[in-house]
Parts: sequence; C-alpha cells; structure tokens
Amino acid sequence: GAVVSQHPSWVICKSGTSVKIECRSLDFQATTMFWYRQFPKQSLMLMATSNEGSKATYEQGVEKDKFLINHASLTLSTLTVTSAHPEDSSFYICSAVRGRGQVQAFFGQGTRLTVV
Amino acid sequence: GESVGLHLPTLSVQEGDNSIINCAYSNSASDYFIWYKQESGKGPQFIIDIRSNMDKRQGQRVTVLLNKTVKHLSLQIAATQPGDSAVYFCAENSGGYNKLIFGAGTRLAVHP
Repeated sequence: GAVVSQHPSWVICKSGTSVKIECRSLDFQATTMFWYRQFPKQSLMLMATSNEGSKATYEQGVEKDKFLINHASLTLSTLTVTSAHPEDSSFYICSAVRGRGQVQAFFGQGTRLTVV
Repeated sequence: GESVGLHLPTLSVQEGDNSIINCAYSNSASDYFIWYKQESGKGPQFIIDIRSNMDKRQGQRVTVLLNKTVKHLSLQIAATQPGDSAVYFCAENSGGYNKLIFGAGTRLAVHP
C-alpha cells in the first residue's frame, strides 16, 4: 500500500511553454502533499506544501506565480511550471502524507523536466 | 534557516562489510527522523524512521541511532550488498509541521 505515482516520468519542453506534473496517491487519501526539486548530485529542496482545498504554502525563494500548485482532491496534486526556462530543468518529486497527524511521507518516482 | 546536514559525499565499502552513514541536524525541536534511499532517476525510498523519544531502532539489516545530545543521526547497514549502492538522505520533521527537511545526502558505493 501507500503508492504515490507521478506523471509524466520525464518531459522535454520548449522554453516559454508551461508543463503540468501530476502527483497521485493511488491507494490512500493524502490531505497533504509536498513538492520538491532536485538538481543533479544535490539534495531535495522543498518547494511547497500542498493542502487539499486550500492554497499551497511556498518556501522562501520559490515563485508562486511560476510554480502553480493545485490540490483539488485528496488523491491529486498538480504542479505547473509556467513559462519554463532552461534553468527550470530539474528533477521534480512529490510526496504524500497519509492521514492527519501522520508524518511518514511516501514519494513519487519523480519527473525529469528538460527545458530546451 | 535550520537544516539537516551531511559532510561526506561518498562512502565506499566492500561487499559484506558494515556501512555507517552519518547525519548532523541542527533543529533541536525536530521530533521525527527518517532515512531514505534514492537510486538514480528515482524518488526516495523509505528505509527506517525514529522518533525523538528513542535512541535506537532496528530494521532488517539496518539500524538507526539517534543522539539528541549532539544532534547526530546515523544509519548502519549490516553486510552491505551491491544493491545497497545508492544515495542516502536523512530527513527531519520539525515537530508539528509535517514537512521534511532533507540533508545533503551520502553516496554509498559497494565494491565486490
């Protein structure tokens, strides 16, 4: 149990276009999901916390207008990278927390974004 | 802000040896810690966790030790296997916020 799926696994887009990444909890309801980005050989950097039915909470330095997060249901959160540029190329990973008061997070397999 | 840190980027061990991966954390309010394994191109995989009211927890071939006095966390892997080769991250939950802050990561390379 506790499977989190991301789609797509990889995407290549042209500079200036927008890309949407989906994060789904397949067998549980996730009241909270988190979005991370990871550059090569670096750690995961938390971008934002996504709560179902409310606005996402962004970490300091993360542009909310560039990284749009929608958590419309208890099993789906989406991250849209708007007007993508080559510097946005990265590995984006989501995680989901099962239930309230729980802290163990389950991670998706990640999405490799390449902006050309 | 406060963060979890790792100092060694790479740890090389012989197959069959025990591995110890260390992590220093700085937030004394953190009450929950997790070790994750990440293979190339994949998301982090849960290995083992420990709460701040414990100082040791064992799993299958893995043991996590927590020293709150010096804010230190370690992951011990017994009889390391080639399949253990990956990057290992420690993460801390800063009490009540349900979000994890990750350390820098250590690459474990297992040689035959």
